[in-house]
Amino acid sequence: GAVVSQHPSRVICKSGTSVKIECRSLDFQATTMFWYRQFPKKSLMLMATSNEGSKATYEQGVEKDKFLINHASLTLSTLTVTSAHPEDSSFYICRPPCGQTDTQYFGPGTRLTVL
Amino acid sequence: SQQGEEDPQALSIQEGENATMNCSYKTSINNLQWYRQNSGRGLVHLILIRSNEREKHSGRLRVTLDTSKKSSSLLITASRAADTASYFCATDSLTGANSKLTFGKGITLSVRP
Repeated sequence: GAVVSQHPSRVICKSGTSVKIECRSLDFQATTMFWYRQFPKKSLMLMATSNEGSKATYEQGVEKDKFLINHASLTLSTLTVTSAHPEDSSFYICRPPCGQTDTQYFGPGTRLTVL
Repeated sequence: SQQGEEDPQALSIQEGENATMNCSYKTSINNLQWYRQNSGRGLVHLILIRSNEREKHSGRLRVTLDTSKKSSSLLITASRAADTASYFCATDSLTGANSKLTFGKGITLSVRP
């Protein structure tokens, strides 16, 4: 069964709306969560890393004020796209660190469409 | 920035044939992973090969890793139409306990029935 869930799986919103995406680890605790973004027909790009108890770490070029990341608990990390615009339309995916285990997990993803 | 670079970018084969996809990378790695993604869907982890491993098998999948050439290959044997998808390699680099996965651009595989 799934070990990482994301909610919502799909969201369509108007420009200017803020959208919150939740990523939950279902049967384990994660002090860290990686957030990726994937534009249509493109690869995944790491946006930021949320850290439980401290500030998120953002990759170069990712706006901190635009993409608010919070690691609320050991089982919940959230990404909020503030004042979303059409160019923010993308597939957002979370991933817990899995070390070098043979099985790696990603969240199922959230498809955001901003009209 | 992207670490892995796959080739070819697109591959079209007949069902039953083998599909070989290659990935090259630039820096030292802990491990290299291959993922599949069906159109509009999430990622499916296929296989992880560690830097001290040279070859690994999982069902119809065979992955090789050559750290001296900084390259990996994914072989899918006896392909099926259901193997049609995008395939990504991802490198786990040496940056500490929570090391990051960096993805290549992906290969689009089409398997014709």
